Amino acid sequence: AQSVTQLGSHVSVSEGALVLLRCNYSSSVPPYLFWYVQYPNQGLQLLLKYTTGATLVKGINGFEAEFKKSETSFHLTKPSAHMSDAAEYFCAVRGRAAGNKLTFGGGTRVLVKP
Amino acid sequence: EPEVTQTPSHQVTQMGQEVILRCVPISNHLYFYWYRQILGQKVEFLVSFYNNEISEKSEIFDDQFSVERPDGSNFTLKIRSTKLEDSAMYFCASAVEDTDTQYFGPGTRLTVL
Repeated sequence: AQSVTQLGSHVSVSEGALVLLRCNYSSSVPPYLFWYVQYPNQGLQLLLKYTTGATLVKGINGFEAEFKKSETSFHLTKPSAHMSDAAEYFCAVRGRAAGNKLTFGGGTRVLVKP
Repeated sequence: EPEVTQTPSHQVTQMGQEVILRCVPISNHLYFYWYRQILGQKVEFLVSFYNNEISEKSEIFDDQFSVERPDGSNFTLKIRSTKLEDSAMYFCASAVEDTDTQYFGPGTRLTVL
């Protein structure tokens, strides 16, 4: 069975500082990997995904994530936080074989301080 | 840009009542999903649906739950007899292919009293 662990349920960063959200997964084979963002009172919006190819993936709003197979990680970063980045971020995985459900991590809520 | 829509945004019901949550997936999508998020917990998969039948369902998706695509546009989740523990945010998602990105709706917040 697949599982996703997000280290830190809450992260506080200063505006302009680096945002780093950690995601580790457990899977028998490297899965597809996703980061979703949820703004207050809204649904889940795809930030970026990794399926194959280049392990450094760029997404919307200046975010990027790097797939590291040896570390079973898919950490999300943004060089400079903006107030509008305050939201909850979810890492998710989906198997490459049969079965297409997403398995989510617990989420990390980001607070951006002025 | 096309998006998944869900109605209602909020639903309050009494325990034991039936509720139907509605979703309109993106028009050219063929794969449909329901997830839920109990307050403070992870987003959990409920069910996937393709070609008018359930592809996969989780342990949560028991006999109290059912899904239907009654026409060419709507995708519904029915809870026959709601329980307090069904209170959650319910998200609908859709995808073109089963290996493609799933696009989520804004959710329906269900409160069971």
